[in-house]
Amino acid sequence: ELKVEQNPLFLSMQEGKNYTIYCNYSTTSDRLYWYRQDPGKSLESLFVLLSNGAVKQEGRLMASLDTKARLSTLHITAAVHDLSATYFCAVGLFGNEKLTFGTGTRLTIIP
Amino acid sequence: DTEVTQTPKHLVMGMTNKKSLKCEQHMGHRAMYWYKQKAKKPPELMFVYSYEKLSINESVPSRFSPECPNSSLLNLHLHALQPEDSALYLCASSSLSGRRGYEQYFGPGTRLTVT
Repeated sequence: ELKVEQNPLFLSMQEGKNYTIYCNYSTTSDRLYWYRQDPGKSLESLFVLLSNGAVKQEGRLMASLDTKARLSTLHITAAVHDLSATYFCAVGLFGNEKLTFGTGTRLTIIP
Repeated sequence: DTEVTQTPKHLVMGMTNKKSLKCEQHMGHRAMYWYKQKAKKPPELMFVYSYEKLSINESVPSRFSPECPNSSLLNLHLHALQPEDSALYLCASSSLSGRRGYEQYFGPGTRLTVT
């Protein structure tokens, strides 16, 4: 059974600081996704990572994938308040529509 | 059109009621999904329809009954729900073609309260 773990579960950081969220998974996978969710809202797709070594960047967020280590990271650079949200990684298995979500990281940016 | 729409946005129902949630997409996607999400938890997959056929049922209680009338529509019929079924219900779709074929696009959700 595929297990996906994120850490930390909660992250409170000051504006302007850098930090990284980690996503570990237990089984070989060919795709990993990062989503953002604001309170009471739906999930917004941030990044799609489909190969070993993939790196994607959008604004202050950068995601990477190491399939050999079964690890993805979401790096936040010079955090701003607008980035406060819950971030989920989700992993899919070969040829299967199902995604298994991580526990989520609730990020709070403090001015 | 890159949207997944869901109706209603909010639903309050009694334990003896029958209601339905609706989901629609016009992106030509061939897979559609129902998720249940409790507060401060990740989404839990309930059902997947691929090419209009039920492909995954995650052992969901029979009081939840999915239906896929055509490739653009997905319904979730609710009957005799329990208070613990109160949650945000999310619909998603994916194209199933190309390298990004399994990327899921989520609708805004229906906030369900069972009284």
